Amino acid sequence: QQPVQSPQAVILREGEDAVINCSSSKALYSVHWYRQKHGEAPVFLMILLKGGEQKGHEKISASFNEKKQQSSLYLTASQLSYSGTYFCGTEGDEDKIIFGKGTRLHILP
Amino acid sequence: GAVVSQHPSRVICKSGTSVKIECRSLDFQATTMFWYRQFPKKSLMLMATSNEGSKATYEQGVEKDKFLINHASLTLSTLTVTSAHPEDSSFYICSAREPSGSRPDTQYFGPGTRLTVL
Repeated sequence: QQPVQSPQAVILREGEDAVINCSSSKALYSVHWYRQKHGEAPVFLMILLKGGEQKGHEKISASFNEKKQQSSLYLTASQLSYSGTYFCGTEGDEDKIIFGKGTRLHILP
Repeated sequence: GAVVSQHPSRVICKSGTSVKIECRSLDFQATTMFWYRQFPKKSLMLMATSNEGSKATYEQGVEKDKFLINHASLTLSTLTVTSAHPEDSSFYICSAREPSGSRPDTQYFGPGTRLTVL
């Protein structure tokens, strides 16, 4: 089942923070986050395993709450290069990733 | 990260013809590759899982005879859209799983192939 992402779209000014949420109705093994720019392939950001771990990648970090089957992606002091569509992908028992509908992030200078 | 290539990047064909898209993992061996389809401003829809040396596993609603998948080697998977029609026009993206020895493995995406059927 497809995970649900929120919000659908975000507009920020450079330097502002954003949070993107991803929730699933089924038990998850891992959550994968990607960013896709227009006309390009998705670029891998990070994987989070069950166990409630958090990870960071420059000013982008994420958390995973397996009990709530939710993950959140945190973008701190956003840069223009952060613009794009962010997809969360969830992996359960079936060993394949199902992606959410995406969150469009637009950073204004 | 690992590199995955796709060829061709763009293809325009007439209705009724077949189109083959190649997906290669360039610096690692991928026992599993995935094929996705993406419509403009939409999500990545998994079409099938391609396993080296065995038949592909198709998602519900995806026609096996329409979208032929062959995973001939550990670095190459191909998707053939047979008897293509305008409704098959889309952005097709493959991904390859880089094995880490334990789950989860990171999936790296190819650059995608934009198919336009006239």
